[in-house]
Amino acid sequence: DTAVSQTPKYLVTQMGNDKSIKCEQNLGHDTMYWYKQDSKKFLKIMFSYNNKELIINETVPNRFSPKSPDKAHLNLHINSLELGDSAVYFCASSFDRGHEQYFGPGTRLTVT
Amino acid sequence: KNEVEQSPQNLTAQEGEFITINCSYSVGISALHWLQQHPGGGIVSLFMLSSGKKKHGRLIATINIQEKHSSLHITASHPRDSAVYICAVTLIQGAQKLVFGQGTRLTINP
Repeated sequence: DTAVSQTPKYLVTQMGNDKSIKCEQNLGHDTMYWYKQDSKKFLKIMFSYNNKELIINETVPNRFSPKSPDKAHLNLHINSLELGDSAVYFCASSFDRGHEQYFGPGTRLTVT
Repeated sequence: KNEVEQSPQNLTAQEGEFITINCSYSVGISALHWLQQHPGGGIVSLFMLSSGKKKHGRLIATINIQEKHSSLHITASHPRDSAVYICAVTLIQGAQKLVFGQGTRLTINP
């Protein structure tokens, strides 16, 4: 059973388009996260939700909008995609804030 | 300067060698994590520790809170250990977000 799953695994799209990445966890965790890994493999937090409430919102363009319909899901919608948005996006979850995190397989987004 | 610094950035060794990867941090933390990212891209949590030492198989992680330093050791290294190892810290303030080091790329040659 996949603990943290993301769809799609690969996403190639053109500049200006709007796209969504979905994340689901079946671990019963309360906290979920979105991370961006750039071309140099550096990971950075984007957003975090705890019990469907937004608790971390880093300096991310407002073209990025997370949505948590329930505790098991955290989706990421990106409007007006730009070349600089090309990266690997990882979803993760943890039992609660500050606990060990379980990562999804990542979504490689390429904007052309 | 990044809040979490790892060294070395790249490490190549022969199978069987003892490996050490270092991590220093400059902020207040509640825990430190060691993560492994394989060439396929997936990230796995190896250790989460707030004091002392933890061991899992051939992997050992230590932390010195006073010196703000942690090490990850691999004994009897094997080519399958080749991966990027990432140190991350949970900040003690705010929403306890994770801040990551830049990673250490380890290559073990047969």
